[in-house]
Amino acid sequence: EAGVTQSPTHLIKTRGQQATLRCSPISGHTSVYWYQQALGLGLQFLLWYDEGEERNRGNFPPRFSGRQFPNYSSELNVNALELEDSALYLCASSGPYEQYFGPGTRLTVT
Amino acid sequence: GENVEQHPSTLSVQEGDSAVIKCTYSDSASNYFPWYKQELGKRPQLIIDIRSNVGEKKDQRIAVTLNKTAKHFSLHITETQPEDSAVYFCAARSGAGSYQLTFGKGTKLSVIP
Repeated sequence: EAGVTQSPTHLIKTRGQQATLRCSPISGHTSVYWYQQALGLGLQFLLWYDEGEERNRGNFPPRFSGRQFPNYSSELNVNALELEDSALYLCASSGPYEQYFGPGTRLTVT
Repeated sequence: GENVEQHPSTLSVQEGDSAVIKCTYSDSASNYFPWYKQELGKRPQLIIDIRSNVGEKKDQRIAVTLNKTAKHFSLHITETQPEDSAVYFCAARSGAGSYQLTFGKGTKLSVIP
């Protein structure tokens, strides 16, 4: 069974640009979660999508947004990039209980 | 909302010793408690979980215990090995139809050979 996949693996952007990150969940999972993990720090919850709807968002500004497609894949958009947005962005999908993470996208803002 | 506190933030043990990481949660409706292991440069991996109708669960050298009354749960690793060195995260899932997990801040475990 294929796991959670994310693309791209690495992304380098300049301050002020926009970044788009993509995630495909495990087959059969309808919920997708996005987390930000700055270097050496914990998992900061960003967004939760389920059945195409945004269910909850963490304490992040509106320039962090996303969507979920009919096939349950998801994308995260970060507008007006700032240097402190540099981090590992992890996507996870879940069924009723277990939540599994993708390999992450390393975003570097210069 | 749910709040999860995790202690200690760092833990060093000698190879072969046991390690214990503790977490407390605030929402008495929480019903699912997973633990993740994150090795350097890798994704968090689910290593063990426990549901609120169970007090203890074991899988080889790791075990998790849950005390619903006190609202805390713990990860126990016995006979630690160098490959157990990683950051461990606990999490809690609130009930009421939400699948969202609230994570602790993590414990960096170092196993000294």
